[in-house]
Amino acid sequence: SQTIHQWPATLVQPVGSPLSLECTVEGTSNPNLYWYRQAAGRGLQLLFYSVGIGQISSEVPQNLSASRPQDRQFILSSKKLLLSDSGFYLCAWARGRGLSNQPQHFGDGTRLSIL
Amino acid sequence: QKEVEQDPGPLSVPEGAIVSLNCTYSNSAFQYFMWYRQYSRKGPELLMYTYSSGNKEDGRFTAQVDKSSKYISLFIRDSQPSDSATYLCAIDGAGSYQLTFGKGTKLSVIP
Repeated sequence: SQTIHQWPATLVQPVGSPLSLECTVEGTSNPNLYWYRQAAGRGLQLLFYSVGIGQISSEVPQNLSASRPQDRQFILSSKKLLLSDSGFYLCAWARGRGLSNQPQHFGDGTRLSIL
Repeated sequence: QKEVEQDPGPLSVPEGAIVSLNCTYSNSAFQYFMWYRQYSRKGPELLMYTYSSGNKEDGRFTAQVDKSSKYISLFIRDSQPSDSATYLCAIDGAGSYQLTFGKGTKLSVIP
């Protein structure tokens, strides 16, 4: 069976510090990978998605970047965090058979607080 | 007009009640429909996945799709306190790699 791991679960960072959140998927190959941010009352906001190693699509211009160094690894980064980067970050995967007719499966998220 | 509309609630029902959660969508090209359940401080968990009009049943859960009305529903029978969560609908991006999510309905089932 497939599993998705995200860490850390909770993170408190000062403004201006760097960020690295990691997500890995097990039990499948060549998945589509996604990073979302979820804010109260605003639903899920898609930040980045990737259909293959080194292939990153950005949905929202922001202070964040994403990388996919390996097939089942997806990393969310920032060089300098802003207060507005606080939120609940979710990684998801879907079978990479093409377009979005496959459901996405989510990790348990990272709650990021910027002080 | 937003692509997916979902009443945010909150919705509060007594234990044992039948719960009806709904979403409407605007793009007739959408073909695949999902419901997720999200507990507090957890990631969304896939509950139901369907790609055709009609009903799909899984235990106490029934997903209903009406493509002619662009309306999808999730019914929960014999609701339990453990069903207390936020429920999100999601619809395929009509030719993209993305899903379009509703904002979620917060449900509380009172013992």
